[in-house]
Amino acid sequence: DSGVTQTPKHLITATGQRVTLRCSPRSGDLSVYWYQQSLDQGLQFLIHYYNGEERAKGNILERFSAQQFPDLHSELNLSSLELGDSALYFCASSGANTDTQYFGPGTRLTVL
Amino acid sequence: AQKVTQAQTEISVVEKEDVTLDCVYETRDTTYYLFWYKQPPSGELVFLIRRNSFDEQNEISGRYSWNFQKSTSSFNFTITASQVVDSAVYFCALSEASSGAGSYQLTFGKGTKLSVIP
Repeated sequence: DSGVTQTPKHLITATGQRVTLRCSPRSGDLSVYWYQQSLDQGLQFLIHYYNGEERAKGNILERFSAQQFPDLHSELNLSSLELGDSALYFCASSGANTDTQYFGPGTRLTVL
Repeated sequence: AQKVTQAQTEISVVEKEDVTLDCVYETRDTTYYLFWYKQPPSGELVFLIRRNSFDEQNEISGRYSWNFQKSTSSFNFTITASQVVDSAVYFCALSEASSGAGSYQLTFGKGTKLSVIP
């Protein structure tokens, strides 16, 4: 158990809908990273938040957004969902002054 | 831009055999970090090891060992006396110190699926 929690574990929804994925980092970790794992693209970095501030963006679509709250949990919002958004979404956390990321169990999103 | 290549897509070995998973990386940074993660069939990503670019010392942890060679830009992972529980997808990843704003996002290879046959 990495100490990173993600909810829900599975999510099934329809095209055009909006969903929110939630992540709670390990106790004391200030950084939260989001990644998408799909069969065709592999594991790709989406976005990084540190102590409530956005620090870096990767291959994140404009339909996707994220935020990190004062209690350090983070949410990834996916809107206008398409079939191609079906994937496993991971969050990872790391502590201050360290680059090692510990991953949550992931949320499997299926868009029908 | 950084890149990680895991040329072996799938490997099958018989239990108790040794197996080496290859990882080759590309980066222009002089300071960078290399990682291996394991993804068992249950789906989670489990951290195995971290190496920084200034530490080429090989590391051994039980049946696992890692060989880091800057001269060939490789960071290979060997499992000795493999077991069925080692069956998983293994990912090599790279982060760069110059990513900016204190962000160490990971660039992953495509992964190597290891099947250990009893």
